[in-house]
Amino acid sequence: GAVVSQHPSRVICKSGTSVKIECRSLDFQATTMFWYRQFPKQSLMLMATSNEGSKATYEQGVEKDKFLINHASLTLSTLTVTSAHPEDSSFYICSASSTGRVDTQYFGPGTRLTVL
Amino acid sequence: AQTVTQSQPEMSVQEAETVTLSCTYDTSESDYYLFWYKQPPSRQMILVIRQEAYKQQNATENRFSVNFQKAAKSFSLKISDSQLGDAAMYFCAHVGQGGSEKLVFGKGTKLTVNP
Repeated sequence: GAVVSQHPSRVICKSGTSVKIECRSLDFQATTMFWYRQFPKQSLMLMATSNEGSKATYEQGVEKDKFLINHASLTLSTLTVTSAHPEDSSFYICSASSTGRVDTQYFGPGTRLTVL
Repeated sequence: AQTVTQSQPEMSVQEAETVTLSCTYDTSESDYYLFWYKQPPSRQMILVIRQEAYKQQNATENRFSVNFQKAAKSFSLKISDSQLGDAAMYFCAHVGQGGSEKLVFGKGTKLTVNP
């Protein structure tokens, strides 16, 4: 149980284009989902917290207009990187916590974004 | 502010031996949870073990156990009978019960298992 999927696993895009990453909880309902960014050989950096049906809460320094997050259902959250630039290239990871069990997060396998 | 410190950037262990990874944390909350996550080369974050702060008994999961010292704010992970598949980055993390649900991660410890 507690499986989280992410799609795509890898994406390469041209500078200036937008990229959407999906995060799904496959066998549980997730009231809250989290989006992280991880640079090579570093820890995870929380970008934003999304709650189903409400606006995401962004961490300080994260541009909300650049990283659009939508959490439209209890099993799906999306992260859209708008007008991507090479510096947005990174590994993006989502996690989800189960409704009624908010203390434990389960992670997706991550998405490697490369912006040319 | 909540912080998590892992003072060992890298550790190594011989296969079948035991290794302990250190973690200390700082929090003003009285009720919270602590975790160890494993990130192998695939980069999938895997929950290794979870400890509830109000429980005095140390959590165990097969070959993995913790030494939770609440007063000292210490939460070390012991891996017994190390296997090659244990090689990974290990992250210690904390989440408070204050409502934010945000995980605070340490910087990680890279564990190498030597055959």
